[in-house]
Amino acid sequence: GAVVSQHPSRVICKSGTSVKIECRSLDFQATTMFWYRQFPKQSLMLMATSNEGSKATYEQGVEKDKFLINHASLTLSTLTVTSAHPEDSSFYICSAVPGLGVDDTQYFGPGTRLTVL
Amino acid sequence: GENVEQHPSTLSVQEGDSAVIKCTYSDSASNYFPWYKQELGKGPQLIIDIRSNVGEKKDQRIAVTLNKTAKHFSLHITETQPEDSAVYFCAASRLSSASKIIFGSGTRLSIRP
Repeated sequence: GAVVSQHPSRVICKSGTSVKIECRSLDFQATTMFWYRQFPKQSLMLMATSNEGSKATYEQGVEKDKFLINHASLTLSTLTVTSAHPEDSSFYICSAVPGLGVDDTQYFGPGTRLTVL
Repeated sequence: GENVEQHPSTLSVQEGDSAVIKCTYSDSASNYFPWYKQELGKGPQLIIDIRSNVGEKKDQRIAVTLNKTAKHFSLHITETQPEDSAVYFCAASRLSSASKIIFGSGTRLSIRP
């Protein structure tokens, strides 16, 4: 149980285009989902916290207009990188929390490798 | 802000020997300390966690210890095997559904055959 998927696993796009990454909790409903970014040989850096039906909370220094987060249902959150540039190339990882007093563990997705040319 | 420091950044041990990774945290309200294993190109996988009401937890070859007074916690892997080679991250959090996890900087563990 507690499986989180991400799609796509890899994406290559041209500079200036937008890319959408999906995060799904497959066998549980997630009250909260988190989005992280990881550069090579570095740790995971939290970008934003997403709660179903409400606006995401962004970490300091993360542009909310560039990284659009939508948490439309209890099993799906999406991250859209708008007007992507080469410096946005990174490994994007989501996590999902069942919550509701049942399980507050964060379960991580397999990550999405974004390369912006 | 909250911070988690992790040492060493790289660790190489002979197969069969033990490996120890140490972390310290700054937020005294942290009460949940997970450890993650990340293999190349994959997301982090939770391997063990400990809560602040417990000083030690063991799961087969893996054990974690927690010293709340000193704000230290450690991961111990015994009888290391080649498949243990990966990057390990410690983390600290205030356990609730909306709480952030603060990650350490990671330890790249290599097991020498």
